[in-house]
This record gives sequence, structure tokens and C-alpha cells, in this order.
Amino acid sequence: GAVVSQHPSRVICKSGTSVKIECRSLDFQATTMFWYRQFPKQSLMLMATSNEGSKATYEQGVEKDKFLINHASLTLSTLTVTSAHPEDSSFYICSARTSGGTISSADTQYFGPGTRLTVL
Amino acid sequence: GEDVEQSLFLSVREGDSSVINCTYTDSSSTYLYWYKQEPGAGLQLLTYIFSNMDMKQDQRLTVLLNKKDKHLSLRIADTQTGDSAIYFCAKRPGNTGKLIFGQGTTLQVKP
Repeated sequence: GAVVSQHPSRVICKSGTSVKIECRSLDFQATTMFWYRQFPKQSLMLMATSNEGSKATYEQGVEKDKFLINHASLTLSTLTVTSAHPEDSSFYICSARTSGGTISSADTQYFGPGTRLTVL
Repeated sequence: GEDVEQSLFLSVREGDSSVINCTYTDSSSTYLYWYKQEPGAGLQLLTYIFSNMDMKQDQRLTVLLNKKDKHLSLRIADTQTGDSAIYFCAKRPGNTGKLIFGQGTTLQVKP
């Protein structure tokens, strides 16, 4: 149980285009999903917290107009990188937090496999 | 603000024990986690501990927490080549749901 998927796993796009990344919780409902960015050989940087049915909360320094987040259902959140530039190339990872119940009392976050974005 | 720190690299021989260390700055009651990341993949939850516990053991994994020193460790017994990965400790401050990650420790297991 507690499987989170991301799609696509890898995407290459031209500078100036927009890219949408999907994050799905497959076997549980996730009231909250998180989006992280990871640079090579570095830790994960939290970009935003996505709550189902409400606006995302962005971390300081993250442009909300550039990284659009939509959390339309309890199992799906999307991150759209608008007008992508080479500096947006990175590994984007989402995680889903269980809404309670039997998965874990530690309110654990379960991570997707990540999406490698390369902007040419 | 909150800070979580780890050493960056650890090399061990197959069959030995590995000990990965982590320190943090905030002492509020919370959960602390260990995640494993293999190359090009997402993070896999290994184990977690609540801050009122001293130790938690799960098969080959032992987590030790020294709350006074704000020090967390992950011991992997009988380390195998398949354990080679980056290990992240993470702390959840309060009830925010956010995770603060350390820099990650790259574990290299030599045959």
C-alpha cells in the first residue's frame, strides 16, 4: 500500500514551453500533497504544500505564477512549470500525506518516483 | 530556523554494520524519519521514530535517538551491496506536515 505515482518520469522540453507533472496517490486518499525540487547531489527543497480543494501554499522564494499547482481531487495534484527555462531543469518529486486512518499514525509522507525535467 | 545536518559520505564493507548520523536544531516533540533514495528514484520510507522514544528496531535497521544531544542515528546491520544509496533523515516540525531534510548521506558498500 501507500503507492504514489508521477507522470511523466522524464521530460525534455524547449525553453519557453510549459510542462505539466502529475502526482497520484494510488491506494489512499491524500488531503495534502507536497512538491519538492532536488538538484544533483543535494537535498530536497520543499516548493509548496498542496491541499485538496484550496490554493497551494508556497515556500519563500518560490514563484507561484511560474509553478502552478492544482489539487483537484484527493488522489491527484499537478505541478505546471510555465515558460520553462534551462535553470528550471531539475528533479521534481511529489509526496502525499495520508488523511488519517490505517496507513500510519505518524502521518507519514509517501514519495513518488520523481520526474526529471530537462529544459533545452 | 530549523536545521537538519548529516555527514555526506560513508563507505563500509559488505557484511559490516553502517551507522549514519544526523543532528537537528529544534527540540520540539515531533516525528523523525529515515528515507532511502536509489539513483534516479524517489524516496522510500525506511522507518520513523517519535521524539519520546529512545530506540526503534525493525529487522536490520536500528534507530537511536538522543533527544538531549538532538542526535539521530540509523544503524544497518549486515550491510549489503543493495543498501548502497543516499539516506536522508528528516524532521517534521510540529503539526505542519512539512518535512525538513538533511543533505543526505551517500552510503557506499564495497564487496
